[in-house]
Amino acid sequence: IAGITQAPTSQILAAGRRMTLRCTQDMRHNAMYWYRQDLGLGLRLIHYSNTAGTTGKGEVPDGYSVSRANTDDFPLTLASAVPSQTSVYFCASGSSGAGANVLTFGAGSRLTVL
Amino acid sequence: GDSVTQMEGPVTLSEEAFLTINCTYTATGYPSLFWYVQYPGEGLQLLLKATKADDKGSNKGFEATYRKETTSFHLEKGSVQVSDSAVYFCALSEWQAGTALIFGKGTTLSVSS
Repeated sequence: IAGITQAPTSQILAAGRRMTLRCTQDMRHNAMYWYRQDLGLGLRLIHYSNTAGTTGKGEVPDGYSVSRANTDDFPLTLASAVPSQTSVYFCASGSSGAGANVLTFGAGSRLTVL
Repeated sequence: GDSVTQMEGPVTLSEEAFLTINCTYTATGYPSLFWYVQYPGEGLQLLLKATKADDKGSNKGFEATYRKETTSFHLEKGSVQVSDSAVYFCALSEWQAGTALIFGKGTTLSVSS
């Protein structure tokens, strides 16, 4: 693994189903983030974690949950998927020290909710 | 709250043309500024950054200067190539620890030969 790995790459899901998007990083970054990308809206922050054991809500957290049991993993769960959650999801990581917060992004997970 | 506004796309240019993508920001503190690029089917990659006023970030022929007086960070390239076709995102991050990036909506650039 080099950088950030996201899985699955793509998924079609029936509305009402539960889904977990996985994210793993091998850079020992203490901060991790989930964004969703929608046409015309850019990237919007869903949840973040500044360090293992802590999480916070971003701009669009409703319908999503996260956990950060260790430094490397930051899964995003949709408890009961709805069509408006159809999007491309990007996981990112970076150092949360003060200063230029350069993020490294995964390749994305394309989710379609029918 | 903090925000980033960038010019609407798409931007369509011929190879070797000059590129400018405008970006302005609103921030309460002293943000760092970034340009990220997203090639088709890929995640975002850092293109360049600037951490304080009057800093110039540069990479792969692209440049942007942090202008505090105009709250701007416009992206420029003197001669674009077909391989520069991508979506470009302007972003900011406040100086405090643990803050996420705030992105503009992205500008799609299409370069034809």
